[in-house]
Amino acid sequence: GEDVEQSLFLSVREGDSSVINCTYTDSSSTYLYWYKQEPGAGLQLLTYIFSNMDMKQDQRLTVLLNKKDKHLSLRIADTQTGDSAIYFCAERYLRTGANNLFFGTGTRLTVIP
Amino acid sequence: DAGVTQSPTHLIKTRGQQVTLRCSPISGHKSVSWYQQVLGQGPQFIFQYYEKEERGRGNFPDRFSARQFPNYSSELNVNALLLGDSALYLCASSLDLMGNTGELFFGEGSRLTVL
Repeated sequence: GEDVEQSLFLSVREGDSSVINCTYTDSSSTYLYWYKQEPGAGLQLLTYIFSNMDMKQDQRLTVLLNKKDKHLSLRIADTQTGDSAIYFCAERYLRTGANNLFFGTGTRLTVIP
Repeated sequence: DAGVTQSPTHLIKTRGQQVTLRCSPISGHKSVSWYQQVLGQGPQFIFQYYEKEERGRGNFPDRFSARQFPNYSSELNVNALLLGDSALYLCASSLDLMGNTGELFFGEGSRLTVL
């Protein structure tokens, strides 16, 4: 179970909330991550959640984890034009090694001024 | 403190050539992982190194190899380059093998174009 799925595109208006969704397949995942990638750049770690947590909040970011449905979401409050980027969900589970992350294909967030 | 640094940032090679990419982890981090990101896709795991030993390998051919040095920096080598090796190669750094803090930081990547 190494499939991480995300929708490809999301458009929101500046000031609205964005919700980016992700589903994963392996119930033994330990950590789940959200990374941000701007054009031509590397991956910026936004936040991560341990699998025994349901929610994590960090300033404008809220992560929700539903282990039963293997569903992860990232909510960005008061979305700004600088939030336009590709957002990757990734899962890590112990049986494949400590830092072996499986990434989704990414969701391209476009913020309309 | 400097983040994960990678070099070169961009390079162009021709089919059949060999390439070496370099990575310096965050100071104090002992584990380095390499990922390949093909355009339009998410990164895919290639290798993880910890304390100079390979601790994990993804589904990549033997043309791909890596090593880690005593100062924890790392090199990724790709031999007999194919057009399909064109990608952004990302290096990731973490404190230890188990990554108990959960944090895994990436560099800006080396963009390889194979002609």
